[in-house]
Amino acid sequence: GAGVSQSPSNKVTEKGKDVELRCDPISGHTALYWYRQSLGQGLEFLIYFQGNSAPDKSGLPSDRFSAERTGGSVSTLTIQRTQQEDSAVYLCASSLAAGGYEQYFGPGTRLTVT
Amino acid sequence: AQKITQTQPGMFVQEKEAVTLDCTYDTSDPSYGLFWYKQPSSGEMIFLIYQGSYDQQNATEGRYSLNFQKARKSANLVISASQLGDSAMYFCAMRDPDMRFGAGTRLTVKP
Repeated sequence: GAGVSQSPSNKVTEKGKDVELRCDPISGHTALYWYRQSLGQGLEFLIYFQGNSAPDKSGLPSDRFSAERTGGSVSTLTIQRTQQEDSAVYLCASSLAAGGYEQYFGPGTRLTVT
Repeated sequence: AQKITQTQPGMFVQEKEAVTLDCTYDTSDPSYGLFWYKQPSSGEMIFLIYQGSYDQQNATEGRYSLNFQKARKSANLVISASQLGDSAMYFCAMRDPDMRFGAGTRLTVKP
């Protein structure tokens, strides 16, 4: 079956521009996560959606970052007024539900802010 | 506060030998889950193994086993009979319920 997909795979943008990153989770998965991974670093949790509950935004680094999940499926991570330190790979993952369920990761979007 | 600690930035192991990757965690929540993921150079994150805080037995998945010592708050990954394809970054993660990842350990398997 189809896995988690993300688009675009690569994005180069100028400092100060806004970007939108998209994630299509596995059908039927109610939990969706966004992470950021800087070069050679571990994963930094950004935001978590679970069903219709209010999202856990505790990992968002600043108010320039926001995310939505429409209809309990597709999610969009938006970064406004991008900065060079936003350059990283943004990974999306989905799982059947919260709790001890395996997370399936997408291939990521590599964002480069020039 | 750091919730997940992986103290080994890099590890080497001889092919066919076993290796242990360390992971310690910190939480006050009695219900939590521990995960290990593998990230090859290609970048994808591959789930390896899961241990629930209430599980009585250590989790095993093929050549992977999790040495869960609850009192010491450690969840070390043991890879038996290492293969060249095991060379990758390995991340320990915990859900309590936020999901947090450690900094990772780069494992290199020598022929």
